[in-house]
Amino acid sequence: DTAVSQTPKYLVTQMGNDKSIKCEQNLGHDTMYWYKQDSKKFLKIMFSYNNKELIINETVPNRFSPKSPDKAHLNLHINSLELGDSAVYFCASSQVTGANVLTFGAGSRLTVL
Amino acid sequence: QKEVEQNSGPLSVPEGAIASLNCTYSDRGSQSFFWYRQYSGKSPELIMFIYSNGDKEDGRFTAQLNKASQYVSLLIRDSQPSDSATYLCAVAGQGSNYKLTFGKGTLLTVNP
Repeated sequence: DTAVSQTPKYLVTQMGNDKSIKCEQNLGHDTMYWYKQDSKKFLKIMFSYNNKELIINETVPNRFSPKSPDKAHLNLHINSLELGDSAVYFCASSQVTGANVLTFGAGSRLTVL
Repeated sequence: QKEVEQNSGPLSVPEGAIASLNCTYSDRGSQSFFWYRQYSGKSPELIMFIYSNGDKEDGRFTAQLNKASQYVSLLIRDSQPSDSATYLCAVAGQGSNYKLTFGKGTLLTVNP
């Protein structure tokens, strides 16, 4: 039973399109995240939600809009896709009591043509 | 800008040797420090974390923290080919336990 699951695993789309990635965790964690990993493997935080409330919003274009309908789900919608959006997007969750240990999903590889 | 720096490698060691991975961080108030391993095409997975100055051992892995020098390292003893992966150092800053800043990772190759 997958702890943090993301769908879809792969997205290939044209510039200008809109796409969404969904994430669900069954660990009972309070906090969920979106991280972006670029072609150089640099993993950078984008957003974080704690109990459905946005707590981290890094310098990300407003074409990216996260939504957390409940604490087990965190979705990412991207409007007007650009070539530079091509990356692997990782969802993660944690229970921030003591060590903030992240559990990552398998990643969603987005390719913008 | 809070930064976490790692040697990008690649670091190549023979099987059975000790692999030493290093990480420095810029935020002197950082509180907790993590090492993640990422196999090619897979997601990062936690190896261990450390809060206090000194060494923390878990099996073949030892994390070392020196807050005065703003330095954290990971030693892998008796390296195995299955340890070949990218190792990511991550740091949680003071007052921002939710936000982990990752280094760019060090690619380790263990040669049989």
